[in-house]
Amino acid sequence: DTEVTQTPKHLVMGMTNKKSLKCEQHMGHRAMYWYKQKAKKPPELMFVYSYEKLSINESVPSRFSPECPNSSLLNLHLHALQPEDSALYLCASSQGSGRYVDTQYFGPGTRLTVL
Amino acid sequence: TQLLEQSPQFLSIQEGENLTVYCNSSSVFSSLQWYRQEPGEGPVLLVTVVTGGEVKKLKRLTFQFGDARKDSSLHITAAQPGDTGLYLCAGETGNQFYFGTGTSLTVIP
Repeated sequence: DTEVTQTPKHLVMGMTNKKSLKCEQHMGHRAMYWYKQKAKKPPELMFVYSYEKLSINESVPSRFSPECPNSSLLNLHLHALQPEDSALYLCASSQGSGRYVDTQYFGPGTRLTVL
Repeated sequence: TQLLEQSPQFLSIQEGENLTVYCNSSSVFSSLQWYRQEPGEGPVLLVTVVTGGEVKKLKRLTFQFGDARKDSSLHITAAQPGDTGLYLCAGETGNQFYFGTGTSLTVIP
């Protein structure tokens, strides 16, 4: 099983809403990632969790709050977003042997629209 | 300045044509990967190359890693509409992982 799943597939929210994105993998990977991607641009790294601990935060605004409840799950909590935060949010996982360089497997993404 | 520059940025070709996408850097990479991403989906790994000069083939796709491990190319033979998507190279250098700038390919039936 090389699948990373993400829910929901699509999300529309207002600027005052609170919502969460979810990501799950059952490959035994110990590193999980959140990326933000605009149309026809490469993914931009937001957060990296290694062994359930936040190891990288790429200066992401606090309105994005990641959470890793266990080694298979990764959440991204959203609050007070701006329209410019509308994008495809991708989750990825890798074996995570302590180095941030393993092959990453991506989920299908959540298409987020902020009104 | 992007560490991995891809060219061309956009490419629109007729079905049956051949094409090459380039991924260039001034840095040495220990490995390079190529992904294809269809609209609304996540990137799907196509191949990983690790040895300088390495060539890998995946049906009509040929991937090459430069001898100095600073560049890579993806050649598609007889392109088909199903090849349409965003092609991303990505690699590891200095214990960091970088994505290329992306090439958006459209194959017209």
